[in-house]
Amino acid sequence: AQSVSQHNHHVILSEAASLELGCNYSYGGTVNLFWYVQYPGQHLQLLLKYFSGDPLVKGIKGFEAEFIKSKFSFNLRKPSVQWSDTAEYFCAVSYTGGFKTIFGAGTRLFVKA
Amino acid sequence: SQTIHQWPATLVQPVGSPLSLECTVEGTSNPNLYWYRQAAGRGLQLLFYSVGIGQISSEVPQNLSASRPQDRQFILSSKKLLLSDSGFYLCAWSVSDRGHYEQYFGPGTRLTVT
Repeated sequence: AQSVSQHNHHVILSEAASLELGCNYSYGGTVNLFWYVQYPGQHLQLLLKYFSGDPLVKGIKGFEAEFIKSKFSFNLRKPSVQWSDTAEYFCAVSYTGGFKTIFGAGTRLFVKA
Repeated sequence: SQTIHQWPATLVQPVGSPLSLECTVEGTSNPNLYWYRQAAGRGLQLLFYSVGIGQISSEVPQNLSASRPQDRQFILSSKKLLLSDSGFYLCAWSVSDRGHYEQYFGPGTRLTVT
């Protein structure tokens, strides 16, 4: 069965620190990859996505993610976090042509001002 | 532009009572619709999805059911709630973009079964 693993459940950083959240998936076919973010009290929203092409994708608010096919990974990065990045982050995967998406357990990020 | 509505936002129900959560989408046609349950530390669990009116697929055996009486309406129901049904329920929709499906989520319903 397809699965998505997020390496950290809770991360605490100080402002201006660099961020990397790990994500690995189990499906071996052609995949679509997503990072979603849920800010406190807000809807779950798309941060960035990868369908094909350049494996380094850039999203909103300075986030980026790199798809490494050989490692089945799609790690999220940001060079310098802000207090407003405090949120829960979800990695998700679907296979191309499929409309079901599998989500990871989420990582709660807390950024200290 | 497309919008998705869920109601109620919060609900407190006693064990054994019925449940009906509603989700409607505006600004798109023939969307795929989804119900998820979000539990702390466990991500989003897909409960049901629908690719058209009257077409429902269930992902996990449970005390809940879903229906899609209209193209842009998706309802989550239960005849008798259990304590374990407490949680945060999210509705989502997607349409195909050249075979790729990006999901858009509603604000969610916080259900507490007492």
